[in-house]
Amino acid sequence: DTEVTQTPKHLVMGMTNKKSLKCEQHMGHRAMYWYKQKAKKPPELMFVYSYEKLSINESVPSRFSPECPNSSLLNLHLHALQPEDSALYLCASSQSNSVARQPQHFGDGTRLSIL
Amino acid sequence: AQKVTQAQTEISVVEKEDVTLDCVYETRDTTYYLFWYKQPPSGELVFLIRRNSFDEQNEISGRYSWNFQKSTSSFNFTITASQVVDSAVYFCALSEGQYGNKLVFGAGTILRVKS
Repeated sequence: DTEVTQTPKHLVMGMTNKKSLKCEQHMGHRAMYWYKQKAKKPPELMFVYSYEKLSINESVPSRFSPECPNSSLLNLHLHALQPEDSALYLCASSQSNSVARQPQHFGDGTRLSIL
Repeated sequence: AQKVTQAQTEISVVEKEDVTLDCVYETRDTTYYLFWYKQPPSGELVFLIRRNSFDEQNEISGRYSWNFQKSTSSFNFTITASQVVDSAVYFCALSEGQYGNKLVFGAGTILRVKS
């Protein structure tokens, strides 16, 4: 079992739906990340939160909206997604906002399918 | 721009064989960190090792060993006496960004270990 918990494991939604992905960690980490991973490709960074503030947005479309309610939780709100958004969405956390000091720990991911 | 190249797309070996996964990186930074992650079919990325640019000592952890050579910008990973459970996608990654909090992943190498 990983120490970063993501829910749901699988999600199927229509293009007009609104849904949220959730990520939780209880390791006391102060940096949290969202990645998108297409099949047979490496993960691509989407967002970085450091001390509950958004520090990096990799030019992600506004139909993806991140939220960090507290240091243990990270959400990704989804609205009006496109079929090409179907992917594995991975959450990660690290002790600080510098991955150079500590490695990122990943969750199992949410497999998202857009109909 | 920083770049990580994993030239081996897929490797198949028979159990108990040794296997080396290659990783070549490009960076202009003098301080940087390199990582290896394992991604089994379940999806989560499992952290294996972190190495900073000032430490060129090779490292061994059980059946795993890593060979870091700055002269050739390589950070290769060897599994000795491979096992079926080693079957996974292996990613090499390089940290970048002002605070080193962005991971740039290589394309990954699929390792299949057959019994």
